[in-house]
Order: sequence, then structure tokens, then C-alpha cells
Amino acid sequence: DVKVTQSSRYLVKRTGEKVFLECVQDMDHENMFWYRQDPGLGLRLIYFSYDVKMKEKGDIPEGYSVSREKKERFSLILESASTNQTSMYLCASSDSTNTGELFFGEGSRLTVL
Amino acid sequence: QKEVEQDPGPLSVPEGAIVSLNCTYSNSAFQYFMWYRQYSRKGPELLMYTYSSGNKEDGRFTAQVDKSSKYISLFIRDSQPSDSATYLCAMSEGGSEKLVFGKGMKLTVNP
Repeated sequence: DVKVTQSSRYLVKRTGEKVFLECVQDMDHENMFWYRQDPGLGLRLIYFSYDVKMKEKGDIPEGYSVSREKKERFSLILESASTNQTSMYLCASSDSTNTGELFFGEGSRLTVL
Repeated sequence: QKEVEQDPGPLSVPEGAIVSLNCTYSNSAFQYFMWYRQYSRKGPELLMYTYSSGNKEDGRFTAQVDKSSKYISLFIRDSQPSDSATYLCAMSEGGSEKLVFGKGMKLTVNP
């Protein structure tokens, strides 16, 4: 089975702190994604990566950056956390077949105080 | 008009009911249609996948795609309390195009 592991399930940070969310997948997938999920807004794509050291902006990249130094690992960075970044963050991966099927991690619930 | 529209609900039904969940879309290039199920405090997991038009059945679940009407449905027969979750539709054009998600419908099946 594909496994996408997000290192932190629950985090509480203060405004202005730098936050790292880590994601690792074990199926050698080329593509990795970071979403945030908020009530009433659904899933919104923050950043994605089709290959190591490559990144593409999604629909809401402002306030976020990403790093993909190894194929299996994709990190989301909040340089200076703000209260409006309180959310559920979901990492996902996919291979390069045509379907686009995503495999999701369990999510990281971030609260910024 | 958003690319994918999904009634957010919530929907509450008694155990044993037939449930119908629906999404409409505007992009006629979509070819791959999926339903994800998301339990509370978990990530979404793929439930059903359909390519192009037609029906697909898996146990109590049936996915339908009507490309002429740009409408997809998920039917759940003999619904169980364990079906209580948020259901998200998702679709893509294929190739390198990304999945586009509906906002999700929260379903509660009451014993």
C-alpha cells in the first residue's frame, strides 16, 4: 500500500514563528502536493512538485514555500506564521500515469495563536 | 462558475437508506472521475474511480458519470453508520493536469 506520512499530526505555533511541515512517501512517486483544507472552502492547492528540486505554485502560494531535496520528501514552510494560516494541511503524492489519482497523508492540524 | 460544484450538505439519513451524492462540472475535457471518502481527522482516501462515461459498481457503492450533462453521482445502498464521512468528488483531464476537487459533502448515517 502507498503510504504518505506527515510527521506532525497536531501543531500549535505562535504568530511570527517559522513552521516546517514534513511529508514522506514510500512509493517512489514523482509528484507531490500540499493542500490546505478549511470548512466551506474545500481543498486548496498550495504548491506541488513534479520532480526533485522542482516546484510549482498552486492556487494559494502566498505565505508559503516548499522544498523538495529528495524524491520521497516534500516540505511545506511557513516563513512567518499568521493566524489565518490555522488550518488542516494535507500532503499527497501521485505517479505519472494518466489518472491523476492522489494518495493523501493523514493531515497536520496547525493552530497559530 | 466554478469548475466543479458539489452541494456541501450536510446530509443526515437513517441506516439502510439509499444515499445519492452529486457533482456538476463545466470543463468538458475532464475524463477521469473519482470519489474520495474522508473520515473525521483523517486524510481523504480514494473510494471509486471511473474513466469517461458509464457506471461502476463496487459492493454497496455505484459511481455514475454522465458526460453529456456534465454530472457525476455516487450512490450508496444500504447505508451504514460506518459510511458517515465527508465525500469529495474529484476529476481531471488526465496527463499532467491536476485533480480538481468539489468542496465535499458531509454525510451522517444514523443507527
